[in-house]
Amino acid sequence: QSALTQPASVSGSPGQSITISCTGTSSDVGGYNYVSWYQQYPGKAPKLMIYEVSNRPSGVSNRFSGSKSGNTASLTISGLQAEDEADYYCSSYTSSGSLYVLFGGGTKLTVL
Amino acid sequence: QITLKESGPTLVKPTQTLTLTCTFSGFSISISGVGVGWIRQPPGKALEWLALIYWDDDKRYSPSLKSRLTITKDTSKNQVVLRMTNMDPVDTATYYCAHRRVGIGSSWDFDYWGQGTLVTVSS
Repeated sequence: QSALTQPASVSGSPGQSITISCTGTSSDVGGYNYVSWYQQYPGKAPKLMIYEVSNRPSGVSNRFSGSKSGNTASLTISGLQAEDEADYYCSSYTSSGSLYVLFGGGTKLTVL
Repeated sequence: QITLKESGPTLVKPTQTLTLTCTFSGFSISISGVGVGWIRQPPGKALEWLALIYWDDDKRYSPSLKSRLTITKDTSKNQVVLRMTNMDPVDTATYYCAHRRVGIGSSWDFDYWGQGTLVTVSS
């Protein structure tokens, strides 16, 4: 099973909004509402930012939001801040062949 | 407060078996809904989901690695162990264990992660 497809990099200026896409298939992203997003700083463990497509864990800024349309999920960060510069990974439950989880290839967010 | 910490060898030789232990606190894996998973990340590359064990001893494995992986739990010690056989240099990665988020119904994400442990496979 191939990883979910994410853009390698995105960038934006402070205060702007950016969106990171995550494309899968009907066996994963499109078939279930189990899409999650993680933020990872260099040398650090990932942090859960969004679960079940659009839910934020307690303590995560409301500048982070998630959505899904068809086989593509999206993470939007509004009011971009320097501290948002990190790698972002999407993940999705998949029923393709077995029941497990796929990750995306990751997106490097640069705050200009 | 939930914490997890991975431990194990930092260097293994090709063909050897890797055994990693995740020691956790702040929750019990005997409680309904609880699960602990393993995820790895080769240097400079993406995350890869490996395995997950549930409170009821149900297990899930990545299909591509299923034949090489075994995940077990020791409830009394608050530990989850991952074994990976026939290690290869391509298995060089930081290995993370993580707590499955407990919510209403199913969940397939992790809300608490260990710091990770770098395992290098080299002769």
